[in-house]
Amino acid sequence: TQLLEQSPQFLSIQEGENLTVYCNSSSVFSSLQWYRQEPGEGPVLLVTVVTGGEVKKLKRLTFQFGDARKDSSLHITAAQPGDTGLYLCAGVSPLQGAQKLVFGQGTRLTINP
Amino acid sequence: DTEVTQTPKHLVMGMTNKKSLKCEQHMGHRAMYWYKQKAKKPPELMFVYSYEKLSINESVPSRFSPECPNSSLLNLHLHALQPEDSALYLCASSRAAYNEQFFGPGTRLTVL
Repeated sequence: TQLLEQSPQFLSIQEGENLTVYCNSSSVFSSLQWYRQEPGEGPVLLVTVVTGGEVKKLKRLTFQFGDARKDSSLHITAAQPGDTGLYLCAGVSPLQGAQKLVFGQGTRLTINP
Repeated sequence: DTEVTQTPKHLVMGMTNKKSLKCEQHMGHRAMYWYKQKAKKPPELMFVYSYEKLSINESVPSRFSPECPNSSLLNLHLHALQPEDSALYLCASSRAAYNEQFFGPGTRLTVL
């Protein structure tokens, strides 16, 4: 069974601080995705990382994929209250014509003004 | 149109009822998915349809019955559910194996 361990599960910090969320697995995935989910809505994809060692930036968010493609991190610089939400990492395994996502437990992030 | 729509948004049903959840997308995606999400937990995959054929059933109890009538529609038929089946049911679609999954807003189901 492929499992993703995400940490921390809860994080509450002040506006302007930096933070890092980690996603670790004992399995290798073909790619790894990060989602953000608002209450009462479905997850929305932020980024997909595919290549070991890859780094992607999305404004103040920086995503890294480990060299062995088993772990990933999300770093937010100068967090804003609008960053508040549930962040989910998901390992991707391709199937025939589809894909299987295995989600981490999620990090519930609160940015206080 | 980059939207996955789900109806109803909320559903309350008794344990003896039969109801159906509906999911629709018009993005030409050939893979569609059902997930179950309990409160404060991540989504858990239930079913995967690829080219309108069921390709994965994650050992879901038979009281949940999926159906894919055509490439744009995905249904989840519910019968004799238990209170512990109360959850947010999410539908998603993707173009193929290596593409982004688009999620719908979900149906919040309460079983009394």
